[in-house]
This record gives sequence, C-alpha cells and structure tokens, in this order.
Amino acid sequence: KAGVTQTPRYLIKTRGQQVTLSCSPISGHRSVSWYQQTPGQGLQFLFEYFSETQRNKGNFPGRFSGRQFSNSRSEMNVSTLELGDSALYLCASSLAEGQFTYGYTFGSGTRLTVV
Amino acid sequence: AQSVTQLGSHVSVSEGALVLLRCNYSSSVPPYLFWYVQYPNQGLQLLLKYTTGATLVKGINGFEAEFKKSETSFHLTKPSAHMSDAAEYFCAVSPQGGGYQKVTFGTGTKLQVIP
Repeated sequence: KAGVTQTPRYLIKTRGQQVTLSCSPISGHRSVSWYQQTPGQGLQFLFEYFSETQRNKGNFPGRFSGRQFSNSRSEMNVSTLELGDSALYLCASSLAEGQFTYGYTFGSGTRLTVV
Repeated sequence: AQSVTQLGSHVSVSEGALVLLRCNYSSSVPPYLFWYVQYPNQGLQLLLKYTTGATLVKGINGFEAEFKKSETSFHLTKPSAHMSDAAEYFCAVSPQGGGYQKVTFGTGTKLQVIP
C-alpha cells in the first residue's frame, strides 16, 4: 500500500514568489494535516482538512492557505514568500475522521528554500 | 489546553547502552500519547502510541514507553542502543474523544549513538 506522497521533494524560490505543495494521502485516509518544521520552532501545525473542509487551523498568516480535493489529495499554497518560510513542510494523513486515534502517517516532506 | 515537554534536545549514548528519552505532558483531559522518530530528510514515523488500556506500550525497533498518569510522563526507552537508532525523536499528545483535535508535538530530542 502506497504511503503518503509529497511533491516536489525540494524547491528553491525567490522572495515574493508563491509556491504550491502537493500531498496525496494513503488510500482510504480522509484527513490530511500540514506542518511546518524548522530548527528553531520545531513542528508547527498549519491546518487540517477533512472531506474538503478545513477543520483546524494553526497560527499562521493568511499567506498560508490550503485545500483538499474530493479524492482527499491536498495542496497548500504560500504566497508572497519570505525568507522565514524556508522549512520542511510535512503532510500527514489519518484514517480516522479528524481524530488522532490511529496516529498520523507522514510523508517525507517538501524542503522549501526561499532565497 | 495541552503541551509537551521533552527534556534534553540532545542525548548521547554508547552503542549497547540504555536509551531513555524523557517526555512530560500537560493536558486538561485524558490524553493519547505518541512517540515518533525522524531520520534525516524523512518524515516522522510512528514508533508507538498509548490510547487506553495497558500503560506499558511496546513499539517498533525494540522501543517501549510507559504512561504514568501520576507523573504525567511518557518516557521512551530501549534496553540496548544500536547505531541505527540515531535520529530525532518526538513526543506528541492529543486529547481523547471525538471531534477535530489538534496534535501537539514536543520540540524533539536528537539521539546520538556512539560506537
């Protein structure tokens, strides 16, 4: 069974640009969550989607947005990139409906570098 | 509200020695508790979890953790460290129950195994 797939694995963008990251969850998983991981801040929750609806949102500015499609695939978008947005962006899918009972399955992440 | 504290951002052990990674949590409701491991340039992998029932939980790769309610702790142990255990370990907490709950991760502990 395929795992969580994140594309692309690596990205280099310039300040002011925008970027879209993609996440395909495990087949049958309907909940997708996004995290930003940096050395200084650790793992920070961005948002969670279930059935194409955002269920939870972290404390990030409006430049960070996401969506989920009917096949549960999710994208996140960051507009007007800043140097501080450089991070590993992790996507995690979960079997349960918005609950964490079964734990997350993480993708390998997208490493975003803003120059 | 919930929080997780991992004592020690870096832990070094000799190969064959006991591994002890500490995690204390704070939660206003009974929690679910998790340990994840992250290898370089990879996503997080679930090691083990406590939801209900037996408080001593066994996970993959020989790791185990014990939920101690009185101490609000969920420390991770392994009797004998192996070189392949070198990685970063994250403790996480989630409230029990239904609904859309956010998971809180600790700041991580990097484990170094010395030959």
